[in-house]
Amino acid sequence: KAGVTQTPRYLIKTRGQQVTLSCSPISGHRSVSWYQQTPGQGLQFLFEYFSETQRNKGNFPGRFSGRQFSNSRSEMNVSTLELGDSALYLCASSYNRGTEAFFGQGTRLTVV
Amino acid sequence: DQQVKQNSPSLSVQEGRISILNCDYTNSMFDYFLWYKKYPAEGPTFLISISSIKDKNEDGRFTVFLNKSAKHLSLHIVPSQPGDSAVYFCAASVELSVGSQGNLIFGKGTKLSVKP
Repeated sequence: KAGVTQTPRYLIKTRGQQVTLSCSPISGHRSVSWYQQTPGQGLQFLFEYFSETQRNKGNFPGRFSGRQFSNSRSEMNVSTLELGDSALYLCASSYNRGTEAFFGQGTRLTVV
Repeated sequence: DQQVKQNSPSLSVQEGRISILNCDYTNSMFDYFLWYKKYPAEGPTFLISISSIKDKNEDGRFTVFLNKSAKHLSLHIVPSQPGDSAVYFCAASVELSVGSQGNLIFGKGTKLSVKP
């Protein structure tokens, strides 16, 4: 059974640009959540999608958005990138919301 | 306002001894708790979970204890091995309705170093 796949693994962008990250969940999983990890801040919740609907959103500005497709694949978009957006972005999928979630390897975004 | 707190950023333990990682939470509505392990450059890996109806769950060398009155959970690893060296995150979620949990809220993590 394939795990959670995130693409790309690494990304370098300049300030002001936008970026789209992709996540393919484990087959059959309906919930996809996104997290931002920065040094000293742990895993900060961005948003969760379940059956193509955003069910929950963390405390991030509107520059951060996402969506989920009918096949449960999800994308997150960050517009007008800032230096502080440099982080590891992790996607996690689970069959049901809030239960055991399986993480991808993450996308390391560097904003210069 | 941090709902899940891991107050020790790091912990160093000798191989073969017990590692005890602690986690406190503030939201009394949390009813499902999980521990994850994370190596550098990898995503977190699920370790063990516990429901609020239990106070202990064991899986091999890993045991999680839940003290609901103190809003505290701990992860015990015994015996500790050098391969256990990683960052450990605790997480919690709330039951929104029957069969539906809210999103996972994570602590900031504790870096465990197990020395040979």
